[in-house]
Amino acid sequence: DVKVTQSSRYLVKRTGEKVFLECVQDMDHENMFWYRQDPGLGLRLIYFSYDVKMKEKGDIPEGYSVSREKKERFSLILESASTNQTSMYLCASSNTAGAGRSNEKLFFGSGTQLSVL
Amino acid sequence: SQQGEEDPQALSIQEGENATMNCSYKTSINNLQWYRQNSGRGLVHLILIRSNEREKHSGRLRVTLDTSKKSSSLLITASRAADTASYFCATVRPSGSRLTFGEGTQLTVNP
Repeated sequence: DVKVTQSSRYLVKRTGEKVFLECVQDMDHENMFWYRQDPGLGLRLIYFSYDVKMKEKGDIPEGYSVSREKKERFSLILESASTNQTSMYLCASSNTAGAGRSNEKLFFGSGTQLSVL
Repeated sequence: SQQGEEDPQALSIQEGENATMNCSYKTSINNLQWYRQNSGRGLVHLILIRSNEREKHSGRLRVTLDTSKKSSSLLITASRAADTASYFCATVRPSGSRLTFGEGTQLTVNP
């Protein structure tokens, strides 16, 4: 069975801390994504990556950075956590198809509920 | 702004009834996908329909796509209490890899 694993299910951090959220996929997928999910706002794309060492900003990248040193691992970094980054964070991976690199279905991890106090 | 918008925001039905959720979007697409999310968990892919398709079935799920109206609907037939979840549509543009999600419909199926 395909699997996307997020390192923590729940995380509590203090304002100003540096936070690492890890995501690993075992499907040899090219693409990996980080979303955050907030009530009434749906899923918003933070960053994504097409390949190793490659990253692109999503819709809300401010306050975040990412790292993809290996194909199977995509890390989300909160350089200095703030209370407005309290949220559910969802990692996903996928393959692309066709010359237009259109996205096929996403496989999601179980999510990390981050609370910043 | 969100590419996909679901309607209604919340839907409550009795077991055995059909549930219909709608999704509208704003720009041209390569494909449209529906996902399900149980409370506090990640999303699970349900079905993908391409821009040149009009209807697709998967078990008790039926998805339609009307590109002229930029809308899609998800029909769940003979609903069960276990279908209680949030349902999201997501669109992929012709030139892009990213999926853009709507805000979801919360479906409650009462036993």
